[in-house]
Amino acid sequence: DIVMTQSPDSLTVSLGERATINCKSSQSVLSTSNNKNYLAWYQQKPGQPPKLLIYWASTRESGVPDRFSGSGSGTDFTLTINSLQAEDVAVYYCQQYSSIPFTFGPGTNVDIK
Amino acid sequence: QVQLQQSGPGLVRPSQTLSLTCAISGDSVSSNTAAWTWIRQSPSRGLEWLGRTYYRSKWYNDYAVSVKGRITINPDTTKNQLFLQLNSVTPEDTAVYYCARQAGGALGIWGQGTMVTVSS
Repeated sequence: DIVMTQSPDSLTVSLGERATINCKSSQSVLSTSNNKNYLAWYQQKPGQPPKLLIYWASTRESGVPDRFSGSGSGTDFTLTINSLQAEDVAVYYCQQYSSIPFTFGPGTNVDIK
Repeated sequence: QVQLQQSGPGLVRPSQTLSLTCAISGDSVSSNTAAWTWIRQSPSRGLEWLGRTYYRSKWYNDYAVSVKGRITINPDTTKNQLFLQLNSVTPEDTAVYYCARQAGGALGIWGQGTMVTVSS
């Protein structure tokens, strides 16, 4: 199985500041056949299912604010939240869908300072 | 738009079978471009992908090794539903269970979640 790790475990950021979350996979999730990274980011608020934010490592899902962006390739990825808003308080997960079983990172808790 | 509505019991006795249903609206369980997935979440195991079913001229299944031999994911094409059966449950199977649609790779649509407790 591909093991996903995230850092930090938790993050406290002032309103309007930037939050950066890192995700690392134990094997590359970059496909050589289509040059796509099989990596997604999700946001989960208490009592709700995860919500897809980013797929193919950097493609924003429809309706997701453009302050959310994803970058990286191979085994190292980053989710950036520019100008953090109060409604961004949540746990963020990365997930690889390159090989079965599709595994998730342990999550990063983002809170307001 | 696509919606997934889950139903099923919240309490299952140890050694019994956990059975959940996911009713699909706005898409077809027989879609040639989607895969229908079950995931669970617990404090001890985090988010855990359990398996999926999908139709590409015939039906396919993929299951996580952690539950293989105990899990069955089946579609009901007449009712446009997805089923999960997990046999011989133990307290370790206590979790929130989600169904989700995988289209284009990631899991874009999720059900509301069902908290299942395994206890006598």
